[in-house]
Amino acid sequence: NAGVTQTPKFQVLKTGQSMTLQCAQDMNHNSMYWYRQDPGMGLRLIYYSASEGTTDKGEVPNGYNVSRLNKREFSLRLESAAPSQTSVYFCASSEARPADYEQYFGPGTRLTVT
Amino acid sequence: SQQGEEDPQALSIQEGENATMNCSYKTSINNLQWYRQNSGRGLVHLILIRSNEREKHSGRLRVTLDTSKKSSSLLITASRAADTASYFCATDAGYSTLTFGKGTMLLVSP
Repeated sequence: NAGVTQTPKFQVLKTGQSMTLQCAQDMNHNSMYWYRQDPGMGLRLIYYSASEGTTDKGEVPNGYNVSRLNKREFSLRLESAAPSQTSVYFCASSEARPADYEQYFGPGTRLTVT
Repeated sequence: SQQGEEDPQALSIQEGENATMNCSYKTSINNLQWYRQNSGRGLVHLILIRSNEREKHSGRLRVTLDTSKKSSSLLITASRAADTASYFCATDAGYSTLTFGKGTMLLVSP
């Protein structure tokens, strides 16, 4: 099992460009999440999908959109990148709600917006 | 807003010593989880403790939970250089999400 995979690993964008971060899990998990991590900060939740067909905003959703393509895949889109979106992005999944289950994380995507 | 806050922010010890880090949170929880993050990598789940549990062990890890004080501690016994990492506590802020603290950076020197 690959677990949670993310592509790309690194990306440099110019302000105003768009891109999609891809995430896939092979553990048949119901719930998936996108976080960003900035230096000296913990993880902040951008969007999550509690189950296939649903998505909800997290703590910092502005400037992002998501798509739960199917049970395996959850993508994060930056429509018009801004320097404030320079960060490391992590995708995670869990069997069900976090109150009862651990989250499994991908290796991260390091994004720089110039 | 962040629910859990770890203390200390950074901890430096020698191999073989014990490392203790603490987490405080603000609102009632169903469970509290601890994660480890090695530099440049994704987070790895260490242990989950439920609100009706007071202590839990996993190998060299011991986690305690005091719901009356809204705090938890993670003890790593007989630390090794490989334990060097950042450690995060996470609480279930709602039905479907976890809220992570800012983490404790642990450095274990040989």
